[in-house]
Amino acid sequence: AQSVTQPDIHITVSEGASLELRCNYSYGATPYLFWYVQSPGQGLQLLLKYFSGDTLVQGIKGFEAEFKRSQSSFNLRKPSVHWSDAAEYFCAVSGYNFNKFYFGSGTKLNVKP
Amino acid sequence: EPEVTQTPSHQVTQMGQEVILHCVPISNHLYFYWYRQILGQKVEFLVSFYNNEISEKSEIFDDQFSVERPDGSNFTLKIRSTKLEDSAMYFCASTSSGIYEQYFGPGTRLTVT
Repeated sequence: AQSVTQPDIHITVSEGASLELRCNYSYGATPYLFWYVQSPGQGLQLLLKYFSGDTLVQGIKGFEAEFKRSQSSFNLRKPSVHWSDAAEYFCAVSGYNFNKFYFGSGTKLNVKP
Repeated sequence: EPEVTQTPSHQVTQMGQEVILHCVPISNHLYFYWYRQILGQKVEFLVSFYNNEISEKSEIFDDQFSVERPDGSNFTLKIRSTKLEDSAMYFCASTSSGIYEQYFGPGTRLTVT
């Protein structure tokens, strides 16, 4: 069955610290992987995506993610977190041909000053 | 930058009433989706729409739900007789050929009392 697991519901980091948000997926075909961010009252904004090729992908706002097929993971990282990064982060998986997205439960990021 | 818009941002309705949620996808997009997120739960797929017909729907999308693209720019979700359990945030999304990420609107929060 297709699914996405984000094991961390809440994470708190200090401003300037590094960040890693975990995402594991189960998908029966070649996965297309995404990270979205949702600030309060806002929609889902795409941070980055992976379709093929280089397994380390760069996104907006200084985020990057690494696809590891052997671990079925697509973890999101940022070397130095800013207070404005406080939001909820969603990992999603899809397939070819405009298939629906499967979302994880989300990870709420809190940033301490 | 083009964006998906949704109206209203918040809708309160009584159980048994009909509601229509409105979305304006990005103008050159061809594939349209509705998702919902019950408070504290995952974002889950409801329906996808292409070429003026439903291409896929989830088991949530029963006979109480319908979608329509009435005028070539709007994309609506109708719930005929709302239930308490329909209370959720409803997201509209769109995409097009050659791109696989879905662009999401800000959502409509539906509260059924």
